[in-house]
Amino acid sequence: KAGVTQTPRYLIKTRGQQVTLSCSPISGHRSVSWYQQTPGQGLQFLFEYFSETQRNKGNFPGRFSGRQFSNSRSEMNVSTLELGDSALYLCASSPQGGDYTQYFGPGTRLTVL
Amino acid sequence: AQSVTQPDIHITVSEGASLELRCNYSYGATPYLFWYVQSPGQGLQLLLKYFSGDTLVQGIKGFEAEFKRSQSSFNLRKPSVHWSDAAEYFCAVGAPGGSQGNLIFGKGTKLSVKP
Repeated sequence: KAGVTQTPRYLIKTRGQQVTLSCSPISGHRSVSWYQQTPGQGLQFLFEYFSETQRNKGNFPGRFSGRQFSNSRSEMNVSTLELGDSALYLCASSPQGGDYTQYFGPGTRLTVL
Repeated sequence: AQSVTQPDIHITVSEGASLELRCNYSYGATPYLFWYVQSPGQGLQLLLKYFSGDTLVQGIKGFEAEFKRSQSSFNLRKPSVHWSDAAEYFCAVGAPGGSQGNLIFGKGTKLSVKP
């Protein structure tokens, strides 16, 4: 099976712009989670989607949003970018059911100038 | 609230030497436990996981981990380190019955390997 894919791999934006990141989960996986990784804060949970519904949300401002499509692909959006949003954004997918194992994509490196 | 502590930020070992990376967690019951590895600029790769049963679990790349309930620990070990093991290692926990999609990660331990 193909792994989790994320596009684009790299992005450079300026403050105030918005950005959309995309994630395609492993075939058959219906849960998609997003994490932000920075040197200072480490890996922080953003949100999780399951069957097109947001199931859980981390402690991030409303500028961070996401959605999931009927084919389980997911997008996350960050509006009004700030310098502190520069990070590696990781997407992970899980099979449904009781398995908590998450399989991660390669990430999108976002740089905000 | 759950938390994960990896006490060692950076460890250097010689190639061929043994390795132990420490992980302690805080949770009211036995959580689901994971170790992931991340090479520079890459995503996280699952090394091994523990849900229940035998407290010594085997993973990929020759890694193993032991769950010790009394110490709330899940330490990762490898008997002989290879230069390709240089990477950052993350311990994570999930709460049974809680959110499946939200793992709590430690801050990571960066492993350097000396030739």
